[in-house]
Order: sequence, then C-alpha cells, then structure tokens
Amino acid sequence: EPEVTQTPSHQVTQMGQEVILRCVPISNHLYFYWYRQILGQKVEFLVSFYNNEISEKSEIFDDQFSVERPDGSNFTLKIRSTKLEDSAMYFCASSDVDRVGQPQHFGDGTRLSIL
Amino acid sequence: KQEVTQIPAALSVPEGENLVLNCSFTDSAIYNLQWFRQDPGKGLTSLLLIQSSQREQTSGRLNASLDKSSGRSTLYIAASQPGDSATYLCAVPLWTDSWGKLQFGAGTQVVVTP
Repeated sequence: EPEVTQTPSHQVTQMGQEVILRCVPISNHLYFYWYRQILGQKVEFLVSFYNNEISEKSEIFDDQFSVERPDGSNFTLKIRSTKLEDSAMYFCASSDVDRVGQPQHFGDGTRLSIL
Repeated sequence: KQEVTQIPAALSVPEGENLVLNCSFTDSAIYNLQWFRQDPGKGLTSLLLIQSSQREQTSGRLNASLDKSSGRSTLYIAASQPGDSATYLCAVPLWTDSWGKLQFGAGTQVVVTP
C-alpha cells in the first residue's frame, strides 16, 4: 500500500540553525499538510499546501517556517532559525482530495530535537 | 473554535474485552471524523473515516459511530488483543475551514493485558 515517507526520522540541531524536514507524499495525492506534536501534547496543524501554494496556515506557522514542493515528489518544511520550543515530532500528511471526505495519510514523522 | 475531547485519557483492559473509546467535539459542522492509531514514537495510522452523513463505519473488529447532533463519536474495538495497545486519536476537519485542517483530540492511551 502506498505510504507517506519522511526523512530523517530524527534530527538533532543547535538552536539558531536552519533545518529542513523532507516528505514524499503518496504519488497521486494533491493536498499536503504539516502537523507537529510536542511531547505530551495534541497533534497540531501547521500548514496545508495545494497547487504549489499555501492554502492555510496556523498561528504557529510564523515567518520562521516555510514549505516548498521543489519537484514532483518532495514536500519540505524549513525552519529558518530554530528555537528550543521547536522541539517536537513533525508529521507530513497527504490526501488526494480535500472536502469530499478522503482520509489524510500520515508519515511516521521526524523527531526534531533542538539543543 | 472547534474543541475535540477524548475521554478517558487512559484505559487498561484484559485481553478479550471490548474497548469503547469516546470522542466529543463542540462544533457539529464537520465533514467527517477520522480515527487514528499512534504507536509510541511512531506516526499516525488511519483506522476509519466516517462521513458526516453516516451513522457508523466498520472495518474488521473496529466499528465507529457518529452522532453529529450531539457532537460525539465512539470507537468500538471488539475482542481486544495485546497488539491493540496504542494511543487512539480522533480528528475532525471543519466544514467552514478550507483545505481539510484536522483538529485532534488528545487521545486515549489503551493497554490490553494478556
């Protein structure tokens, strides 16, 4: 069964450094999402992406964050200058349609640890 | 603002018992509700998606019901097994939100003892 893949599985970065998290969504999907889960907290929506542009973003997704689909398969989340509070599990998800009730499929996540 | 609550936060049952997991949401204007399973340190596995027009959805030992008017969904897992031990999350997108933003509950952590 097709799946969403994320790399790396664990990223350790010094505070203030830039980090790029990578995702390969399911190949025929058109809608892409990033979520994060701080340890012990709920999964939170960050951003959705369709047709090469951001569709919606949460309050968390400030100017330090950006997303890109650099080619036909990858979807990336960049954090420009990481803070301690960015430490979390970051999940990528994709779906083939949006409003008509198709499920979102999630990857296994990237655990980001900021030192 | 949509709030999603899951009760109980944790549940421990002996193998073979049926599991009943609850999810409530404050805004009934939802497209659908999705149940996920999360194993420790792992991603989210989609279990069931129940449309707003449906009352229930079944997959194997799993059955999810949806009562939109009362803002509740229940996930039933029949004849639990130790392999069912995980955290179960429910999530809803808002009808009025664009692009399927999911709002998650905090989850119910399930332990099935042999």
